[in-house]
Amino acid sequence: KNQVEQSPQSLIILEGKNCTLQCNYTVSPFSNLRWYKQDTGRGPVSLTIMTFSENTKSNGRYTATLDADTKQSSLHITASQLSDSASYICVVSASGTYKYIFGTGTRLKVLA
Amino acid sequence: SQTIHQWPATLVQPVGSPLSLECTVEGTSNPNLYWYRQAAGRGLQLLFYSVGIGQISSEVPQNLSASRPQDRQFILSSKKLLLSDSGFYLCAWSAGTGWGSYGYTFGSGTRLTVV
Repeated sequence: KNQVEQSPQSLIILEGKNCTLQCNYTVSPFSNLRWYKQDTGRGPVSLTIMTFSENTKSNGRYTATLDADTKQSSLHITASQLSDSASYICVVSASGTYKYIFGTGTRLKVLA
Repeated sequence: SQTIHQWPATLVQPVGSPLSLECTVEGTSNPNLYWYRQAAGRGLQLLFYSVGIGQISSEVPQNLSASRPQDRQFILSSKKLLLSDSGFYLCAWSAGTGWGSYGYTFGSGTRLTVV
């Protein structure tokens, strides 16, 4: 069964600190993995898209890693800011399908 | 560039009333279109997806229906709303081909409250 699991469910950190969010998936055959940021009451916005051959991709203070062998991805946020407070969703797509499998997200709260 | 529009942003409807949420995409042709619902504190649930005009696939049995009257227009409807239909509804699109490395873009969402 295709599944995407994220951890932790929620996380509270102080402004300026770093954090890492995890995503484990069992989707097969794997096509690509995306990390989204969703502010409360808004639609998700794409942060990174990673294909099978990519191990690391950065977008500003966000760095995503992908280990296709262990089927794990992480999203590392450096020098967190108050505006990073949001839900972060991992989405995996399988080859040959129009559907995407969503994780339930990690809720990040950055405190001043 | 491609943009996706979804409206209204918020909606309060009485039980038993009809519903129509509209989503349009600009700057692309033959997109795959999706309707998702997100309950409070929960993940996204795929409701419908469409790979072409008049082609609708339903993921879960429910009180809702979807239609795609034009290539870049996707409509979510209900004849009679239930309290359980309350939630945050998101429209999304992806490229019709080669989705592997293309964006999967969401609209800004509609907050529906059924009272």
